[in-house]
Amino acid sequence: ETGVTQTPRHLVMGMTNKKSLKCEQHLGHNAMYWYKQSAKKPLELMFVYNFKEQTENNSVPSRFSPECPNSSHLFLHLHTLQPEDSALYLCASSQDLPSYQPQHFGDGTRLSIL
Amino acid sequence: GESVGLHLPTLSVQEGDNSIINCAYSNSASDYFIWYKQESGKGPQFIIDIRSNMDKRQGQRVTVLLNKTVKHLSLQIAATQPGDSAVYFCAENLFNNQGGKLIFGQGTELSVKP
Repeated sequence: ETGVTQTPRHLVMGMTNKKSLKCEQHLGHNAMYWYKQSAKKPLELMFVYNFKEQTENNSVPSRFSPECPNSSHLFLHLHTLQPEDSALYLCASSQDLPSYQPQHFGDGTRLSIL
Repeated sequence: GESVGLHLPTLSVQEGDNSIINCAYSNSASDYFIWYKQESGKGPQFIIDIRSNMDKRQGQRVTVLLNKTVKHLSLQIAATQPGDSAVYFCAENLFNNQGGKLIFGQGTELSVKP
């Protein structure tokens, strides 16, 4: 049982579609993260939020748009994606910023772009 | 550069044997390290962490060793079980003015033979 829940678990979309990924954490954490996990590559940090404020955008293309309405919820809005964006998108949370605290991950959304 | 690497991409062990998974990191300023386990279809699961002021930390059946001199981290799993089969990632916390950023390694796939 994970304290971080991601929906949907699987998503197939065309390049012209608009969809959103949702993440919810039940751990009382203040920091939330989006990562991209591609096959045979290390996890790539995309965005960081701390107390609802974005603290890091790791040079992510504008076709990915994050939203953090409160410390428990995080969204990733997708539009006009490319085939190379197919990957597993992981959400994580930590008590505050990562310093000396592990991040806790959800099980991800497997995204396929047609 | 900013990278955490692993010596071996795959490791196969016999059930009941001890497993050792290695990780090299490149940033001398990193002060916190984490091991994660990722099973197929799931997100990374926190196993154990260690701060740079320690050289060894033990958990249940797992031990993490840190050698700062050669920038090397290892995860030892005692009496490896089939349920330990997964991909194992190390991560280093690269401290910055926002509290830190986790840099992940590529992962080692552990396969346990019954």
